[in-house]
Amino acid sequence: EAGVAQSPRYKIIEKRQSVAFWCNPISGHATLYWYQQILGQGPKLLIQFQNNGVVDDSQLPKDRFSAERLKGVDSTLKIQPAKLEDSAVYLCASSPSLGADTKNIQYFGAGTRLSVL
Amino acid sequence: DAKTTQPNSMESNEEEPVHLPCNHSTISGTDYIHWYRQLPSQGPEYVIHGLTSNVNNRMASLAIAEDRKSSTLILHRATLRDAAVYYCILRSLAGGTSYGKLTFGQGTILTVHP
Repeated sequence: EAGVAQSPRYKIIEKRQSVAFWCNPISGHATLYWYQQILGQGPKLLIQFQNNGVVDDSQLPKDRFSAERLKGVDSTLKIQPAKLEDSAVYLCASSPSLGADTKNIQYFGAGTRLSVL
Repeated sequence: DAKTTQPNSMESNEEEPVHLPCNHSTISGTDYIHWYRQLPSQGPEYVIHGLTSNVNNRMASLAIAEDRKSSTLILHRATLRDAAVYYCILRSLAGGTSYGKLTFGQGTILTVHP
């Protein structure tokens, strides 16, 4: 079974520029997550989708971050404009459903490492 | 969200058992104990989870205290590939904003020596 695919793996931009990350979840997974992981910290949930609807975006800085999941499959996360403090690894994860059923674990991609100069 | 406390780092020798502790004194009856690990330059991966009873799978064992206020992840024979950050996470089955979410702490950095 193919895992969660993310691209690009690395991105370097200057502050105030825009950047977009792409995620393709595991086939058939209804729930998709975007996390931000700053160096030395654990991942922090930014937004959670169930199919193509947003379930939780309470920790998404909406003045500069946006995300969409068209057709309930692939997703993109955008930052516009980027700040120095946005330098982090952006992880995408998917799970079969929204619930916390014992088998409903999250599968993570390798992430996109963003450096903002 | 219920919180967990883990040591910042631990060290082990290859082929020896490793016991990674986790304290979760505020755990509720609807919280599952999940462990994920993150190898260098990779996303986190699921290791094991449990509710009340000890659990075993091909990767590890999970020992849960009787009062559920602590748990221990056991790697029976550490290999160099087990060097990673290990996260102990409480995953709620209760309704509300925390339902099903994974809230990561800083985890334990495990170093395995050859």
